[in-house]
Amino acid sequence: EDQVTQSPEALRLQEGESSSLNCSYTVSGLRGLFWYRQDPGKGPEFLFTLYSAGEEKEKERLKATLTKKESFLHITAPKPEDSATYLCAVRSRGGYNKLIFGAGTRLAVHP
Amino acid sequence: DTGVSQNPRHKITKRGQNVTFRCDPISEHNRLYWYRQTLGQGPEFLTYFQNEAQLEKSRLLSDRFSAERPKGSFSTLEIQRTEQGDSAMYLCASSLPLAEEEKLFFGSGTQLSVL
Repeated sequence: EDQVTQSPEALRLQEGESSSLNCSYTVSGLRGLFWYRQDPGKGPEFLFTLYSAGEEKEKERLKATLTKKESFLHITAPKPEDSATYLCAVRSRGGYNKLIFGAGTRLAVHP
Repeated sequence: DTGVSQNPRHKITKRGQNVTFRCDPISEHNRLYWYRQTLGQGPEFLTYFQNEAQLEKSRLLSDRFSAERPKGSFSTLEIQRTEQGDSAMYLCASSLPLAEEEKLFFGSGTQLSVL
């Protein structure tokens, strides 16, 4: 069964303190690993899609990487506005287009 | 492009009542998804439409849940005989086929509270 596990559940950082979020997955044929950001009371907002091991993508202070078993979301010199829940999801070769989400990492960046 | 619109934003109902939610996707998107999210958890897939055809439905979805997408435009999700366990945020998302990065665009959700 496809499964996504994210760690840590919550992370508190000081502004400027870089860190990484982890997403471990098991899937029957990966057809994309996705990172989303979710602010309280809102729907998830797309960040990145990664398709194969070794692939990396960057956007402002965020960088996502992918291996055959896990993905990391690196946050460099975070700012308070980066505070949110970060969700990881996978799409498998079975079925149509559904995403299987992890429970997320709640990030709080303090000034 | 005003994004994915969901109505109502909040719904409070008594156990046993029926409720219906509406989702208006981004106009040119022919793929539409419903997800459910409870506090502290990630979104859980419920069902998927391509145009008006419902192509996938979660095994976890009981017979009390039904979704429609007439004419491949807006969609409705109905829950009959609501239970307290149905309390959650119901999220709708849409996408284009073969779109760059296959990104889903989510609405802000309908928060359901069953008393």
